[in-house]
Amino acid sequence: DGGITQSPKYLFRKEGQNVTLSCEQNLNHDAMYWYRQDPGQGLRLIYYSQIVNDFQKGDIAEGYSVSREKKESFPLTVTSAQKNPTAFYLCASSINRRTGELFFGEGSRLTVL
Amino acid sequence: DQQVKQNSPSLSVQEGRISILNCDYTNSMFDYFLWYKKYPAEGPTFLISISSIKDKNEDGRFTVFLNKSAKHLSLHIVPSQPGDSAVYFCAARAGGTSYGKLTFGQGTILTVHP
Repeated sequence: DGGITQSPKYLFRKEGQNVTLSCEQNLNHDAMYWYRQDPGQGLRLIYYSQIVNDFQKGDIAEGYSVSREKKESFPLTVTSAQKNPTAFYLCASSINRRTGELFFGEGSRLTVL
Repeated sequence: DQQVKQNSPSLSVQEGRISILNCDYTNSMFDYFLWYKKYPAEGPTFLISISSIKDKNEDGRFTVFLNKSAKHLSLHIVPSQPGDSAVYFCAARAGGTSYGKLTFGQGTILTVHP
């Protein structure tokens, strides 16, 4: 059955280390997104990609990087430049249609020690 | 600058009664609105949406109302069930932007008591 798979579900990182979160979808969606959730806050957009080999910064892109080499995959790298990386990260995808909703993965919780 | 606000952090309702979750927005460019439901440590799941050309949309027990002049939308759940207990996010999209580029509210924790 189709869906979005994020891994790992939990990740611990030491300060100064880069870490990459995986996101794979088999929904055949063109567009993919990374959101971040912090306690008491709504989801905030980090990066998005509407088509392979193209991506745009969202509202809070500083300290993050992405790639979109395949339609199915949209990994997110949290770099050491991200000042407050501890958060719950959500990957999503959608068809490029005005009324198309986002489908989310189950999320990855990153904790910086 | 919070463009989408859910001013009630939590709501407690008795099973069988109506749950009303509210959301206010400030950006006049928003033309599509969605509600998502989220359980702890899981991704949000889509519930219902409404276009700015409508003022009401119904799907089973869920109804969303949009008041454009007041820049306010609400989600009604009737009747409420214990399984509805979750965090509810409203989200909005501005016309002309990427379809998945949503602005989310802070969320409201709904607890439905048996």
